[in-house]
Amino acid sequence: GDSVTQMEGPVTLSEEAFLTINCTYTATGYPSLFWYVQYPGEGLQLLLKATKADDKGSNKGFEATYRKETTSFHLEKGSVQVSDSAVYFCALSVESGNQFYFGTGTSLTVIP
Amino acid sequence: DAGITQSPRHKVTETGTPVTLRCHQTENHRYMYWYRQDPGHGLRLIHYSYGVKDTDKGEVSDGYSVSRSKTEDFLLTLESATSSQTSVYFCAIRGITGPNTEAFFGQGTRLTVV
Repeated sequence: GDSVTQMEGPVTLSEEAFLTINCTYTATGYPSLFWYVQYPGEGLQLLLKATKADDKGSNKGFEATYRKETTSFHLEKGSVQVSDSAVYFCALSVESGNQFYFGTGTSLTVIP
Repeated sequence: DAGITQSPRHKVTETGTPVTLRCHQTENHRYMYWYRQDPGHGLRLIHYSYGVKDTDKGEVSDGYSVSRSKTEDFLLTLESATSSQTSVYFCAIRGITGPNTEAFFGQGTRLTVV
């Protein structure tokens, strides 16, 4: 079935470090891929998305490239800030269904 | 921000009592979802709706029921709350189906069953 596997956390980085959070997926057809972010005490917000192979989604310095050959959608940021501390969720949506499939989330803490 | 309001935001209830959570949207979106969030499990779909009076089960629907009598409201009911239903519950909405459209989430309801 359709699913997302996400890098286990928690992740702790120093400010200005490089961030990678791995995400791989299994899906039938041609899914769209998403990264959501959840700040403490809040709901999920869309961070970025990519709707076809080789697309790159980007927002707030974060990037992720839809790699069909490796079924991956890794999240990267070149220089993290304390304000990036949050939980990050990878998700997919398939053509044939109404649902989203979420990874388990990766908690990121950035220390000054 | 998408107009989604969840109520209540926090609730403590006793085992065996019925509980209803409400999701209200002002976006006139067709699709509405209820998820629960638990450590180590991420978000799991409980039920979703694709129109007024049209609902379907998700992966963790046992012990939950839903109703949608108006486009703007989607209610989640725990028939007889159990401690395993202690969780954070999120409502989400989506305008159209199809893989390209994102979902918008409410702020969540923290439910504790004692």
